[in-house]
Amino acid sequence: TQLLEQSPQFLSIQEGENLTVYCNSSSVFSSLQWYRQEPGEGPVLLVTVVTGGEVKKLKRLTFQFGDARKDSSLHITAAQPGDTGLYLCAGKDTNAGKSTFGDGTTLTVKP
Amino acid sequence: NAGVTQTPKFRILKIGQSMTLQCAQDMNHNYMYWYRQDPGMGLKLIYYSVGAGITDKGEVPNGYNVSRSTTEDFPLRLELAAPSQTSVYFCASSLLVLPDSTEQFFGPGTRLTVL
Repeated sequence: TQLLEQSPQFLSIQEGENLTVYCNSSSVFSSLQWYRQEPGEGPVLLVTVVTGGEVKKLKRLTFQFGDARKDSSLHITAAQPGDTGLYLCAGKDTNAGKSTFGDGTTLTVKP
Repeated sequence: NAGVTQTPKFRILKIGQSMTLQCAQDMNHNYMYWYRQDPGMGLKLIYYSVGAGITDKGEVPNGYNVSRSTTEDFPLRLELAAPSQTSVYFCASSLLVLPDSTEQFFGPGTRLTVL
C-alpha cells in the first residue's frame, strides 16, 4: 500500500503570510495532484504534476514535484481568507488507475 | 452537464440496516470511485471501477459492495450497517486517457450516520 504523509496537519496564519505544505512518500508516483476541499463539498483539482522536478504556478500558488517523484510541496504567497480549506495531495499508482490520498492539511487564514 | 450526482445527501441508519448510495455521472467517464472521509481526514478508497462490468477493491472494502452495470451508474451497497461506517461518502469519476489526464470529478457527498 502506497502511503502519502502530509504536513503540517493543521495550519493557522494571518492574511498576507506565506506558507508551505508538504506531501511525502517512500513510493514513486507517475503523477501527483493537489486538491482543495471546502466544508460540505467534494475536493476540486488544483493542479497535476507529472515530471520529476516540475514546478507549476497557479496565481499565488506554486506546486513542485520532487526530482524522484516521491514528494511534492505547495507554497502559497500572501495568503488570503479565501484560501482557507483542506488541501489534499493524491499520488497516482504507476500501473493502475487509482490514486492514494494523503490525510490533508487544514489551512485557516485569518483576516 | 450535471457532472457527478449523489443521492441521498444525508441518511441515518440503525445498526444492521442496509442501504444503497447512488452515484451517477453524465461525462462518459470510464473510471469511477467510491471514497469515505472521516472527520478531519483524507479520502480512503473503498472500491473503484475501470469500466462497465469491472470493479476492484480499494483500501477499505470490507462491509461494502459495488456494481457497475452501466458507464453512468456506480451504486455502493452497505449490507449490515455498523457505527464504524459513519462517515461522508464521496463518489468520483475520471477519464483516464493519458497519465496527466486523471482529474477526478467529485460528487457533493453523502453524509451517513449509523446509530
